[in-house]
Amino acid sequence: DAGITQSPRYKITETGRQVTLMCHQTWSHSYMFWYRQDLGHGLRLIYYSAAADITDKGEVPDGYVVSRSKTENFPLTLESATRSQTSVYFCASSGTWDREGEKLFFGSGTQLSVL
Amino acid sequence: QKEVEQNSGPLSVPEGAIASLNCTYSDRGSQSFFWYRQYSGKSPELIMFIYSNGDKEDGRFTAQLNKASQYVSLLIRDSQPSDSATYLCAVRGNTGFQKLVFGTGTRLLVSP
Repeated sequence: DAGITQSPRYKITETGRQVTLMCHQTWSHSYMFWYRQDLGHGLRLIYYSAAADITDKGEVPDGYVVSRSKTENFPLTLESATRSQTSVYFCASSGTWDREGEKLFFGSGTQLSVL
Repeated sequence: QKEVEQNSGPLSVPEGAIASLNCTYSDRGSQSFFWYRQYSGKSPELIMFIYSNGDKEDGRFTAQLNKASQYVSLLIRDSQPSDSATYLCAVRGNTGFQKLVFGTGTRLLVSP
């Protein structure tokens, strides 16, 4: 089906382990984003990408790495997971950044627990 | 001061009433304003966006923007139990799309 999909839906890991969250979109959207959502903080931008091979930091990038070798994929890697990275992670995409394209479409999210 | 502020609620309204959700923002240069709805355990979905001062209506939803007072609101007419969700206000400043800032959301409960 067309859309934006994230995997896994749930993930439990231990501190210090590397974890990769996957995001795939079928719309050929140029822009992709990773957010985390925590109580009291709302959605916070981790990293974003304007196109393949173009990525940049958001508000809370520390401890995360992204790559975008293909337009449709935007994986997020936690290099050495910490308990503070326990959160719900949302991937989002947007087709353009003109007035009409300035809308985010979110994946279903990944609930990550770091023990 | 948070960049985008919302009352966390819950805001409780009876079915059929008008629900009024408010959001204030600090960046006076903000250009674009969005309302996302998020059901419990689900991802946010865009329901309204507004760029100019005044009202914008879409079905039972009306977004209102007052740039001078730096607030944006969402009115939901004829509220239904299915409207029960958390409503996220998002504001984009004038420094690029990476500066889309979300509020923490207002939880709305519509009772039958």
